[in-house]
Amino acid sequence: DGGITQSPKYLFRKEGQNVTLSCEQNLNHDAMYWYRQDPGQGLRLIYYSQIVNDFQKGDIAEGYSVSREKKESFPLTVTSAQKNPTAFYLCASSTSGTGIHETQYFGPGTRLLVL
Amino acid sequence: DAKTTQPPSMDCAEGRAANLPCNHSTISGNEYVYWYRQIHSQGPQYIIHGLKNNETNEMASLIITEDRKSSTLILPHATLRDTAVYYCIVRPYTGTASKLTFGTGTRLQVTL
Repeated sequence: DGGITQSPKYLFRKEGQNVTLSCEQNLNHDAMYWYRQDPGQGLRLIYYSQIVNDFQKGDIAEGYSVSREKKESFPLTVTSAQKNPTAFYLCASSTSGTGIHETQYFGPGTRLLVL
Repeated sequence: DAKTTQPPSMDCAEGRAANLPCNHSTISGNEYVYWYRQIHSQGPQYIIHGLKNNETNEMASLIITEDRKSSTLILPHATLRDTAVYYCIVRPYTGTASKLTFGTGTRLQVTL
């Protein structure tokens, strides 16, 4: 089946620790995105990438880093600089990111909790 | 990007039509109206989008007013599985990458 997978479903972080969230897609999409969702809130864009080896900051990039070495993979690292990382993290992809009828497809999400 | 205003919550009886309103009074000519929904603890799911004409697909219908300042998402026969948060989003088409700006949406509760 085509789609987006995120792992793990739950992740626990200790103080001062970096953690990496995985996002893989087999939809052959060029564009990929990372969003953060806090309880009762909408999604906020962290980073996005339109092509391999290129990515741009979103609205809340501080304390996060990404890489895009392969078309199908867009991992997100939550660094120790992110002081309030507890949230639901969602990865998405779309065909190109610039099309008129661009639709984003979302993964199931990773819930990050701080110990 | 234009902002959207949606009621925080709505109820609908199962089998009835659910009509979810959205106000986007500052929408620009190149901005499309998108609807997504998010079932509890899952990723959002695309429903439908449109520019100025009414649109229909297997999931829903989208009615956009002539002045484009508001729209209504219609789920013709709501079921319990339609219980979710529904997001109305306006997205510009500029030829460059544009994000989806999610507000807090409308929480639709479908009841027996």
